[in-house]
Amino acid sequence: SAVISQKPSRDICQRGTSLTIQCQVDSQVTMMFWYRQQPGQSLTLIATANQGSEATYESGFVIDKFPISRPNLTFSTLTVSNMSPEDSSIYLCSIRTVNPYEQYFGPGTRLTVT
Amino acid sequence: KQEVTQIPAALSVPEGENLVLNCSFTDSAIYNLQWFRQDPGKGLTSLLLIQSSQREQTSGRLNASLDKSSGRSTLYIAASQPGDSATYLCAVRKAGNQFYFGTGTSLTVIP
Repeated sequence: SAVISQKPSRDICQRGTSLTIQCQVDSQVTMMFWYRQQPGQSLTLIATANQGSEATYESGFVIDKFPISRPNLTFSTLTVSNMSPEDSSIYLCSIRTVNPYEQYFGPGTRLTVT
Repeated sequence: KQEVTQIPAALSVPEGENLVLNCSFTDSAIYNLQWFRQDPGKGLTSLLLIQSSQREQTSGRLNASLDKSSGRSTLYIAASQPGDSATYLCAVRKAGNQFYFGTGTSLTVIP
C-alpha cells in the first residue's frame, strides 16, 4: 500500500481567505482524488486530478472555488478559495491501486473557517 | 444512483463483546466493497477489501462478508477492545470507477 501525507493537518482560517492543501504520495500514481467530508457527513468527491491535464470536477464543485494542481505523478494541491464557514470540513487526498482496485487515503486536513 | 446505508449510526458495547456492523447498498452491480476505519478528525484507514466474486475476507479480529444479491455487507469485530473505537465506513465501487460511501457507524467500546 502507498503512504500518503497531507499538509497542513489542520488549520483555522478567516472568511474570505484561501488555503492550499498539499498531498504527497510515496509512489507514482496516475490519478489522485480530492474528497470533502463535512461535519457528521460521509465523503463527497470533489475532483480527480490527472498529471498533465486539467482536473475533472464533480457536480457542485468548480475550478474557481477549488483549483487543483498536479505537477507530477507524486504530488497534488487543492486550494479552497474565498472561504466561508460552510467550507469547514475535513479534506482528504486519495489514490487508487489497480490490482486490486483499492482506495487509500491521506490523514486529512481539518479546516475550520471562522 | 447507488445509495449506501449503514445501520446503526452509533453503537456502544462493553469491551470483549463481539459485534456486527451493517452496510446496505441499493444497486447490486458492484465491483467491490471496501471497509474503512476513521478516527476522529483523521483520514480513512483501509481495513478490508472484498471483490464482487468473494463472499468474505478476514484480517485478524475482523471479518467482512458480502452478499451482493441482497445488497448487504457486514463487518464482524471479535473480542472488541477500546482501541477499536472509531467510525467505520463502507464504500462500494461501481462501473466507471465510481465510489459511493456510507455515512458510517460510530463505535464506542467501553473499558
